[in-house]
Amino acid sequence: DADVTQTPRNRITKTGKRIMLECSQTKGHDRMYWYRQDPGLGLRLIYYSFDVKDINKGEISDGYSVSRQAQAKFSLSLESAIPNQTALYFCATSDFNTGELFFGEGSRLTVL
Amino acid sequence: RKEVEQDPGPFNVPEGATVAFNCTYSNSASQSFFWYRQDCRKEPKLLMSVYSSGNEDGRFTAQLNRASQYISLLIRDSKLSDSATYLCVVNSGAGSYQLTFGKGTKLSVIP
Repeated sequence: DADVTQTPRNRITKTGKRIMLECSQTKGHDRMYWYRQDPGLGLRLIYYSFDVKDINKGEISDGYSVSRQAQAKFSLSLESAIPNQTALYFCATSDFNTGELFFGEGSRLTVL
Repeated sequence: RKEVEQDPGPFNVPEGATVAFNCTYSNSASQSFFWYRQDCRKEPKLLMSVYSSGNEDGRFTAQLNRASQYISLLIRDSKLSDSATYLCVVNSGAGSYQLTFGKGTKLSVIP
């Protein structure tokens, strides 16, 4: 089983719908992140959390919100999805000592 | 100047070739550096960290040049399985939330 698990892996939705992407981890890491990846743009940070009570905006947080329900769970919500939020979304955790990021397998979201 | 810049490629090389990727970064205060590998439609995975003194892991060698603000990745004796996109990642702060990813360099190793 993967150490960082994302659900759903693929989702097609319509403009205006609310979408939640969920992430859970068994690494025991405190630090969790949500990134999006677009062709030609690379990975960009949406939100990050260093512990259950800590939530921080990343580079591109507009249109997104997050919830850190527990150390192991970090969910990303799109309150009203729009087509330019079509992307591949990655959840990640990081090792505090090494800084190494461990990514989930990704959630491919298409907004029509 | 973009924060982290890589040649997007693609680099098409024959098996057994040596290939080198460079990556430049704009923030002179950057503290740590990494190369990640991403296979098509998969998640990125750490390939190696880049240390000031340079480091080697089998066929892979990473080097850092702080004065010129670039890092490099050298792959010797390329294998078909090396085909992937290589991401340069720079940590500009003490916390890993300040990681900046390059857009990646695509490598295709041809039989």
